[in-house]
Amino acid sequence: EIVLTQSPGTLSLSPGERATLSCRASQSVSSSYLAWYQQKPGQAPRLLIYVASSRATGIPDKFSGSGSGTDFTLTISRLEPEDFAVYYCQQYGISPWTFGQGTKVEIQ
Amino acid sequence: EVHLVESGGDLVQPGGSLRLSCAASGFTFSSYWMYWVRQAPGKGLVWVSRINSDGSSTNYADSVRGRFTISRDNAKNTLYLQMSSLKDEDTAVYYCTRGMTVATITPWNYWGQGTLVTVSS
Repeated sequence: EIVLTQSPGTLSLSPGERATLSCRASQSVSSSYLAWYQQKPGQAPRLLIYVASSRATGIPDKFSGSGSGTDFTLTISRLEPEDFAVYYCQQYGISPWTFGQGTKVEIQ
Repeated sequence: EVHLVESGGDLVQPGGSLRLSCAASGFTFSSYWMYWVRQAPGKGLVWVSRINSDGSSTNYADSVRGRFTISRDNAKNTLYLQMSSLKDEDTAVYYCTRGMTVATITPWNYWGQGTLVTVSS
């Protein structure tokens, strides 16, 4: 099983700042089948990024993903109030499909 | 428009059983693999089970294997999760989800709103 470790656990930032979230895998993620999801309280997850760096339909370009192998990053260029949420990485290349434990981006 | 609507969540005693349903609409249900994902209160996302498009192949997380059964009725556009021998740690919101494409390797971009299962005496 591929274990995904996200850091930091909580990121305290102000609107307008840049957020950098990390996801490290216990083994290489094949073909960069790595996704990022955003989840707000009481809502289902929303797909942001897939194959490490491709934005899903309707996702604004302030969200960007990068990385390969075992190290991946989600960057939010300028935080807006609606971006404060929990973010999860997921590898979907091999069963069991696994998620990181999440990074909460909160308003400082 | 794609819609996934879960139902069946309830309060159940440890050792009990429950069947969740996920009604799908807005797409050709029989073409897609489907998945169940759960989220315990205040915790992260955990994949539970997956079924292929015609229902002939399934797999499960170790934590539920032997207790949960995933199935589908393509004529009714409905996904199911039969849960038995329920434990306290099965308490969670259960989401059904669909891949972005019909490919077997695909991220999950459609999610239901979730249904809450509470296991408690």
